[in-house]
Amino acid sequence: AQRVTQPEKLLSVFKGAPVELKCNYSYSGSPELFWYVQYSRQRLQLLLRHISRESIKGFTADLNKGETSFHLKKPFAQEEDSAMYYCADTGFQKLVFGTGTRLLVSP
Amino acid sequence: NAGVTQTPKFRVLKTGQSMTLLCAQDMNHEYMYWYRQDPGMGLRLIHYSVGEGTTAKGEVPDGYNVSRLKKQNFLLGLESAAPSQTSVYFCASRPAGSNSPLHFGNGTRLTVT
Repeated sequence: AQRVTQPEKLLSVFKGAPVELKCNYSYSGSPELFWYVQYSRQRLQLLLRHISRESIKGFTADLNKGETSFHLKKPFAQEEDSAMYYCADTGFQKLVFGTGTRLLVSP
Repeated sequence: NAGVTQTPKFRVLKTGQSMTLLCAQDMNHEYMYWYRQDPGMGLRLIHYSVGEGTTAKGEVPDGYNVSRLKKQNFLLGLESAAPSQTSVYFCASRPAGSNSPLHFGNGTRLTVT
């Protein structure tokens, strides 16, 4: 069964510090990985998908098949990045989420 | 284009009561999903549907039923609510194809006393 692991429940950094939110997957097929973000009192929204290889709001994520990881990175965190971040893998039709990491960026 | 709309936004039930959550999408998406979000548990898939008239179980289907009679609507039913079903419920939809992202509704906050 596909599984997505986000080992950190909370990541607290100061403004301007680098950020890395970890995500590991275990789907044996070809993974289709996404990062979703949920700002306070808002709906979840797509941040990144691995197939696009894009940078959104300064965030990037690279698929590492050898390490089965899709870590989310940003070189300089901003206060407005504070939110809940979920890694997800589509697998076959279903979309399975990790347990999420709350990022808190302090001034 | 409203996207994904969930009703109601809030509901309080007593143990044993029943209710139906409605999810409607106007994007002609084939796939629809119901998730529950609980602190420390993330988002867990309850049921999903890959087309009108079809449904399938997710990770935590017990105590819930669903129906997809029309392509645009995906209903989640609780026949006999329990306090363990207190949660925030999210509906989502997406086009067919594994690379397509989910579009989420605003969520329904359900409390079962």
